[in-house]
Amino acid sequence: EDKVVQSPLSLVVHEGDTVTLNCSYEVTNFRSLLWYKQEKKAPTFLFMLTSSGIEKKSGRLSSILDKKELFSILNITATQTGDSAIYLCAVKGVQKLVFGQGTRLTINP
Amino acid sequence: GAVVSQHPSWVICKSGTSVKIECRSLDFQATTMFWYRQFPKQSLMLMATSNEGSKATYEQGVEKDKFLINHASLTLSTLTVTSAHPEDSSFYICSARDFGTGTQETQYFGPGTRLLVL
Repeated sequence: EDKVVQSPLSLVVHEGDTVTLNCSYEVTNFRSLLWYKQEKKAPTFLFMLTSSGIEKKSGRLSSILDKKELFSILNITATQTGDSAIYLCAVKGVQKLVFGQGTRLTINP
Repeated sequence: GAVVSQHPSWVICKSGTSVKIECRSLDFQATTMFWYRQFPKQSLMLMATSNEGSKATYEQGVEKDKFLINHASLTLSTLTVTSAHPEDSSFYICSARDFGTGTQETQYFGPGTRLLVL
């Protein structure tokens, strides 16, 4: 059965800190890995990764995929209180997305 | 990015009633839409894959007679929770795959519908 595991499940840091969120997976016929940010409503798309070793970057957020070791990390530098959210990792196999449990990130001022 | 809407955003109903949730792709055609359910402090769980013009594909453990899905057009899918009970209270989210650009791996999510069954 396809599985996505995120760690840590919860993380509390101070504004300005750098955080690294982890996602490991076991999926048949891997197509892509996606990161989403979820605040009070539905998830918003952050990154899609399909190739190993190529970093995707958007402002203070960046992500990279390792298809050999079957994991991805999401980095957030110089965190701000607005970064507080649940970060979801999802992996796409043949048809559907399989989501991890999410990491609840809290940034304290 | 593509826009997906859901209606209603909030619904409170009595136990035993049926509730219909609509999911629309506003600026693209979606041959495939997905329905997810999210309980508090849990991740999204796929309930079913909705295909335009054909029957939905349900995930294991999801009752197809209780969660009726209709995908009658390329821009609209509906989920009807029949004879709702308090344990059906949850956050229901749809997503749509953009048909036009071929970006099959990226799904666009609707804002979600919070259902509370009393």
